[in-house]
Amino acid sequence: GQQVMQIPQYQHVQEGEDFTTYCNSSTTLSNIQWYKQRPGGHPVFLIQLVKSGEVKKQKRLTFQFGEAKKNSSLHITATQTTDVGTYFCAGQFSGNTPLVFGKGTRLSVIA
Amino acid sequence: NAGVTQTPKFRVLKTGQSMTLLCAQDMNHEYMYWYRQDPGMGLRLIHYSVGEGTTAKGEVPDGYNVSRLKKQNFLLGLESAAPSQTSVYFCASYSQIGSPLHFGNGTRLTVT
Repeated sequence: GQQVMQIPQYQHVQEGEDFTTYCNSSTTLSNIQWYKQRPGGHPVFLIQLVKSGEVKKQKRLTFQFGEAKKNSSLHITATQTTDVGTYFCAGQFSGNTPLVFGKGTRLSVIA
Repeated sequence: NAGVTQTPKFRVLKTGQSMTLLCAQDMNHEYMYWYRQDPGMGLRLIHYSVGEGTTAKGEVPDGYNVSRLKKQNFLLGLESAAPSQTSVYFCASYSQIGSPLHFGNGTRLTVT
């Protein structure tokens, strides 16, 4: 079946360092969504990217969608302890198919 | 608005027992999903529904059944629980293709 690969699986950073997680698909995506799950919580929607080459920012978070619409990244500048959690990408392969989640990147921030 | 509500929050079953997990949403969403989440495996789709009266298999449907008799409810059933079904189960809903998923708080199920 269609898959979305996400790396790294884990990332430990010192507070103030930057963090990036990457998602890749072998097939073109119609759109990609990003979610954050705090420890013990449920996934919460962050953003959706639809256009080729799209870049969106939310404060310290920068989201990119590749030109070929096969890859995406989430970059956090100057991490804070509040950024701790697991970040998931979720890709849609065609209009009516369910979202396919990557396995997530668990971020730990050391104060 | 309560959003997406899952019941129960926790459950312990013995192997072979059955149970039903209930997901209710008050947002008039067409689409509803059931996921399971296991360490290192991300969110895997069990079954989903694109509208009242419809259901479809996801990535890991074996051992589960679902029903969507009413638009606001999506039930997940385990007929004969197995230890491999120990997991956290999340229900999610959304209004139309491309809109965000709204997740419930999850059900933590342990099968002994």
